[in-house]
Amino acid sequence: DADVTQTPRNRITKTGKRIMLECSQTKGHDRMYWYRQDPGLGLRLIYYSFDVKDINKGEISDGYSVSRQAQAKFSLSLESAIPNQTALYFCATAHRGKTEAFFGQGTRLTVV
Amino acid sequence: KQEVTQIPAALSVPEGENLVLNCSFTDSAIYNLQWFRQDPGKGLTSLLLIQSSQREQTSGRLNASLDKSSGRSTLYIAASQPGDSATYLCAVLDSSYKLIFGSGTRLLVRP
Repeated sequence: DADVTQTPRNRITKTGKRIMLECSQTKGHDRMYWYRQDPGLGLRLIYYSFDVKDINKGEISDGYSVSRQAQAKFSLSLESAIPNQTALYFCATAHRGKTEAFFGQGTRLTVV
Repeated sequence: KQEVTQIPAALSVPEGENLVLNCSFTDSAIYNLQWFRQDPGKGLTSLLLIQSSQREQTSGRLNASLDKSSGRSTLYIAASQPGDSATYLCAVLDSSYKLIFGSGTRLLVRP
């Protein structure tokens, strides 16, 4: 089993719908991150969290919200999806301190 | 604001060549720098992590160096193979524990 699991792996949704992407990890890590990747733009940080009570905005948080339900779970929500939120979304985790980050396999989201 | 740049954006080389990928960052206040590999449509695989106090790390045919004061890192790939074809991304862990990425170098190794 993967250490960092994202669900769903693929999703097509309609404009205006609410959608939630989920990330769970078995590594016992404190830090969790959500990114989106668009062709040619690398990964851009949406939100990050250090524990269940510590949520921080990244560079592109508008239109997104997150929930850290437990140490091991970090969910990303699109309250009202729009077509330009079509992208590949990644979750990452890392232990406290200056340690290596690990990524999930990604969720390909298409908003039509 | 930390910005990470990777040059070149794309690179095509014949098999067997040694090559260097570059990563630069604007703020030297980083905790570490990590190199990743990404295959098309796939997740990121960590290749090497260099702490800010280190100058280089090696893993097999890969060697990464870090010059924090000048804001530069290089990833050296020795004796390249077609299986090395992928996008290579660097990321810095800044002083707020944000992991900031460059836009990547797309590498093609021709047989």
